[in-house]
Amino acid sequence: SQTIHQWPATLVQPVGSPLSLECTVEGTSNPNLYWYRQAAGRGLQLLFYSVGIGQISSEVPQNLSASRPQDRQFILSSKKLLLSDSGFYLCAWSVRTHRGKLFFGSGTQLSVL
Amino acid sequence: KQEVTQIPAALSVPEGENLVLNCSFTDSAIYNLQWFRQDPGKGLTSLLLIQSSQREQTSGRLNASLDKSSGRSTLYIAASQPGDSATYLCAVISSNTGKLIFGQGTTLQVKP
Repeated sequence: SQTIHQWPATLVQPVGSPLSLECTVEGTSNPNLYWYRQAAGRGLQLLFYSVGIGQISSEVPQNLSASRPQDRQFILSSKKLLLSDSGFYLCAWSVRTHRGKLFFGSGTQLSVL
Repeated sequence: KQEVTQIPAALSVPEGENLVLNCSFTDSAIYNLQWFRQDPGKGLTSLLLIQSSQREQTSGRLNASLDKSSGRSTLYIAASQPGDSATYLCAVISSNTGKLIFGQGTTLQVKP
């Protein structure tokens, strides 16, 4: 069966520090991968999605970047965190077709202080 | 641009009541619509997925309907229980972009 792992679960970082959140998927090949952010009291915002290794689409201009070094690995990064980067970050995957279900990781609560 | 709206934003009901959550979307060109459940501080769990060619899907006490032409979906929860308390989100995959667009969610509280 397929599983998705996301870590860490919580993270407290000072403003200006770097960020690296990792997400891996097991039990499937060639998944679509997504990073979402959920700010307090707001809906889910799509940040990045990837349909293959090295293929990243950015949805919102921001302080963050994403990379997909391996088929089932998706990394969210920042060189210098801002206060506004605080939020709940969710990684998700779906099968390559657009008609499949989306499966989410357990999320990372990021607090930038 | 596809927009997804969920009404109400919050709902509180006594245990045992049947309830309906609403979701509307502006662009009917969708592949499918999904309903998710999110517990506080947790990830999302997929509840039901309705393909664009389908009218409804059922799972246990949950029934989701889709009226693509009017841009509406409802999630019906029968005989609600305190364990149903959570935030429920709907999301559509746009046929034009392939992106999953979420509504803001409805936070449900079922009181014992």
